[in-house]
Amino acid sequence: DTAVSQTPKYLVTQMGNDKSIKCEQNLGHDTMYWYKQDSKKFLKIMFSYNNKELIINETVPNRFSPKSPDKAHLNLHINSLELGDSAVYFCASSHALGVLQETQYFGPGTRLLVL
Amino acid sequence: AQSVTQLDSQVPVFEEAPVELRCNYSSSVSVYLFWYVQYPNQGLQLLLKYLSGSTLVKGINGFEAEFNKSQTSFHLRKPSVHISDTAEYFCAVSWMDSSYKLIFGSGTRLLVRP
Repeated sequence: DTAVSQTPKYLVTQMGNDKSIKCEQNLGHDTMYWYKQDSKKFLKIMFSYNNKELIINETVPNRFSPKSPDKAHLNLHINSLELGDSAVYFCASSHALGVLQETQYFGPGTRLLVL
Repeated sequence: AQSVTQLDSQVPVFEEAPVELRCNYSSSVSVYLFWYVQYPNQGLQLLLKYLSGSTLVKGINGFEAEFNKSQTSFHLRKPSVHISDTAEYFCAVSWMDSSYKLIFGSGTRLLVRP
């Protein structure tokens, strides 16, 4: 019954590796997001997709590549991981883009630690 | 640049005491305002939101917030807190002239002590 799910929950890896985080929502929402929460709990948007189309692409290194195979899934692939990538990554979804008052529903987060 | 400020990084209170968590934002352009709560090791969930109408908004778990346009504030309050309210609280704002983004404050950790 989980509305927004992410896998894996924890990810520990070495610098230079490539890793992916998966996100799925079963709410029938059109829009999905990736956020990064740093060690000081600051939460910042990275990407947003609406119906598989990239809408928001913040100033994120191009080592980060989101992929949306369908509107229920938004995966995040990270190449050449760096120490500074260590953070908690949250996936979220909302009913419709362009409707700023929509509530966003968040997944439980993926805790990435780069060694 | 648009910004959301939560001045208090941590607010310790005793159980059953009232609490106010402060939130200010940078512009008086029309906004939508949100408070989200993050319990330990969990994702964020919506507490309440202001879209229009009455400036006093009631949310879940006994929380309420008041929109003050002249002071560009949206402070969160609860008259009597419980231990279970211990969590991180995030204020977030959507500006009606923004590109579909929700801007979050840096969060306030509410620590309720017995």
